[in-house]
Amino acid sequence: DTGVSQDPRHKITKRGQNVTFRCDPISEHNRLYWYRQTLGQGPEFLTYFQNEAQLEKSRLLSDRFSAERPKGSFSTLEIQRTEQGDSAMYLCASSLVPGGNSPLHFGNGTRLTVT
Amino acid sequence: GQQVMQIPQYQHVQEGEDFTTYCNSSTTLSNIQWYKQRPGGHPVFLIQLVKSGEVKKQKRLTFQFGEAKKNSSLHITATQTTDVGTYFCAGFDFRNSGYALNFGKGTSLLVTP
Repeated sequence: DTGVSQDPRHKITKRGQNVTFRCDPISEHNRLYWYRQTLGQGPEFLTYFQNEAQLEKSRLLSDRFSAERPKGSFSTLEIQRTEQGDSAMYLCASSLVPGGNSPLHFGNGTRLTVT
Repeated sequence: GQQVMQIPQYQHVQEGEDFTTYCNSSTTLSNIQWYKQRPGGHPVFLIQLVKSGEVKKQKRLTFQFGEAKKNSSLHITATQTTDVGTYFCAGFDFRNSGYALNFGKGTSLLVTP
């Protein structure tokens, strides 16, 4: 068990640019989550996958955000036309069985700064 | 949609004092999980409660799930400096929120020796 891996750890981008983050979950974990966390707040749910299927997406999530998990293994989160309000820590988490019955294992996150 | 609220937002205690954080959900939960996040770290799972009125203990930590499954608490006895961090509750409400695990804003605990 090597844990959940996220890349890059830090990303600084200019407003209007597109960014893409990668998450490698714990192998054999079939459920993958993306969260966003800002200072002093709890993780905010963005979306989750069961295998390659995106089963749920937050209604608050802008159309500029898209996520994929093409082969049911790693996942990518893309933000198009970034805005300063997108600056946050983006956390990925995975779990082995349906999330209601097992803990989420979080990665170290990707810290995005939009200038 | 389902919302999870936690109080207090911050707590500063002297080492050896007790600490309690409270969590309330706007809807009945399927289950609730607790996580700890150390400064600069990521959330780490502590425990899950499923049954109404359930109480679980982990050494100095006691977790409770309310009878109505809408509230929970975490109590730490005789805090230590290693308890420093932010404690989050996170709830599942399958009926209203599917499999989204919704986190509270957390309670930040500072312990001074």
